[in-house]
Amino acid sequence: GQQLNQSPQSMFIQEGEDVSMNCTSSSIFNTWLWYKQDPGEGPVLLIALYKAGELTSNGRLTAQFGITRKDSFLNISASIPSDVGIYFCAGQRDGSSNTGKLIFGQGTTLQVKP
Amino acid sequence: SAVISQKPSRDICQRGTSLTIQCQVDSQVTMMFWYRQQPGQSLTLIATANQGSEATYESGFVIDKFPISRPNLTFSTLTVSNMSPEDSSIYLCSVRTGPSGLFFGSGTQLSVL
Repeated sequence: GQQLNQSPQSMFIQEGEDVSMNCTSSSIFNTWLWYKQDPGEGPVLLIALYKAGELTSNGRLTAQFGITRKDSFLNISASIPSDVGIYFCAGQRDGSSNTGKLIFGQGTTLQVKP
Repeated sequence: SAVISQKPSRDICQRGTSLTIQCQVDSQVTMMFWYRQQPGQSLTLIATANQGSEATYESGFVIDKFPISRPNLTFSTLTVSNMSPEDSSIYLCSVRTGPSGLFFGSGTQLSVL
């Protein structure tokens, strides 16, 4: 099925560095979501975005819903070892707000070196 | 959000057998869903579990292979039938509790030998 283009695929950074990842699509979405998945666990919702241009923060995490509604980015500031995991973007199309049909990106694997 | 409990958390099964995965939510939710995450891959929606009626399957998934039950607003099961090694995946229950997105259980890691 269709997927979002998420990049980078993986990152290996030093503790304290800032991180940025993004998702793009050729189609418009009306909601963007960012999840983090730890090994052996299900994805945990980090940030939800509902409006084009919206910028939302959750602690050291900041995400934005692109103006074109075709992209979103997630920034993590001052990374720490517990930020390690796989980050997924997910988009929801118009008309699917009452369903569970999210389209997921391929994930960004983040490793943090202490 | 909701507390979603899934069991088993992991299992190793023989080819040709079936496994039923249970999902329990701590509150009544209208919408429950089942996702699959193949090794190293992203998540794909299998079906919507409808309370009191047949599940709604996505393209590529059929009821004979993945029968789903939803007897009430807090519980659902997914069965992976006649398993083959290609069914080795993480199976995830998820719920929508409002407009703020989907929440996921911790998943069932299935390995088929």
